[in-house]
Amino acid sequence: GENVEQHPSTLSVQEGDSAVIKCTYSDSASNYFPWYKQELGKRPQLIIDIRSNVGEKKDQRIAVTLNKTAKHFSLHITETQPEDSAVYFCAPKEIQGAQKLVFGQGTRLTINP
Amino acid sequence: NAGVMQNPRHLVRRRGQEARLRCSPMKGHSHVYWYRQLPEEGLKFMVYLQKENIIDESGMPKERFSAEFPKEGPSILRIQQVVRGDSAAYFCASSPQGPPDEQYFGPGTRLTVT
Repeated sequence: GENVEQHPSTLSVQEGDSAVIKCTYSDSASNYFPWYKQELGKRPQLIIDIRSNVGEKKDQRIAVTLNKTAKHFSLHITETQPEDSAVYFCAPKEIQGAQKLVFGQGTRLTINP
Repeated sequence: NAGVMQNPRHLVRRRGQEARLRCSPMKGHSHVYWYRQLPEEGLKFMVYLQKENIIDESGMPKERFSAEFPKEGPSILRIQQVVRGDSAAYFCASSPQGPPDEQYFGPGTRLTVT
């Protein structure tokens, strides 16, 4: 099965700085790479995703980059704001494979004002 | 279009009692997934269902846990004879159909076993 790891497990940055979270995976068949954000006590929400036919995708202050050869993808948040404080999860999967999401262990991001 | 609904939002059970968690998928969604999140941990897949069918239950504990998604009504996750270790947040997600549809999560049910 898929083995998913995230680094770092906790990250603290000053407001306005950038944050980068990395997700490594083991299943070379993975071709769909989403990132979820979970605020304290709330549900996980998809914030950005990428498919293996592109190397980078950007949506305003967030971006995802993919290195399929090395089997890792990263979440980039620029100009961080206090509302970015949350736990972020990656969940790489094969689109046509099993439907379950295998989540990384999460990265707790804290934005310091 | 209402989102995924879960009830109750909070459930307290004594050890040995039964817990029933309900999930109503988004309108038009026929695929339901259940995940468990222990405190300070990530989400772990439990079971994937379509109407009247269990498609993948590879994450379900072998005993005490069962799930169903009847033709009419919500999906039910049932935990019999609860133990303290069952205390967790249980999230339901739904998607319209098969791959690669995004899974939309409900607000979760927080189960506390005393």
